[in-house]
Amino acid sequence: NAGVTQTPKFQVLKTGQSMTLQCAQDMNHNSMYWYRQDPGMGLRLIYYSASEGTTDKGEVPNGYNVSRLNKREFSLRLESAAPSQTSVYFCASSEAPANSPLHFGNGTRLTVT
Amino acid sequence: EDKVVQSPLSLVVHEGDTVTLNCSYEVTNFRSLLWYKQEKKAPTFLFMLTSSGIEKKSGRLSSILDKKELFSILNITATQTGDSAVYLCAVEANTNAGKSTFGDGTTLTVKP
Repeated sequence: NAGVTQTPKFQVLKTGQSMTLQCAQDMNHNSMYWYRQDPGMGLRLIYYSASEGTTDKGEVPNGYNVSRLNKREFSLRLESAAPSQTSVYFCASSEAPANSPLHFGNGTRLTVT
Repeated sequence: EDKVVQSPLSLVVHEGDTVTLNCSYEVTNFRSLLWYKQEKKAPTFLFMLTSSGIEKKSGRLSSILDKKELFSILNITATQTGDSAVYLCAVEANTNAGKSTFGDGTTLTVKP
């Protein structure tokens, strides 16, 4: 049982380049999330999808877009990467948007030079 | 704006010690508070505390929620080196389903 799978694990981009982070879960969860984690800080919500077909902004959505492709998959796109987007990105899922623990992927370490 | 503050930021103890980690919060229309453990990679869920469940225990770990004073504590007794991790606290509000607010975490180091 894989849980939440993120790809890639590592990525280096130049300023202005674009990329998509992929996330898939096999737990039949309804809700999915993208967080970023910067050194010494907790997790900040970028975007989330309470259920298939819906997406909503979190705390730090600027510079990102998301797509809930189907119930299993939720991708995060950086259209024009900036050094401020250097971070570790975590995808997570939960059974429901409330009162349900988050299950996290292993993260993507992104460096923008 | 919802706010979660964890203390201390870091803590170094020796095996066998007991530790208490703190999480205070300000949230409008509180729903739940969750604790996670983060070792090298992904955070993993420890406890969820709500109005109907203000005390949880699992082995050497326990947690309580004080809704009146707006804080939670995570206790770890007889610490082991495997307890070394970052411990994250998050709160959910009824009005913002899906938008958990996390604290900055407490880094616990347990020395042999």
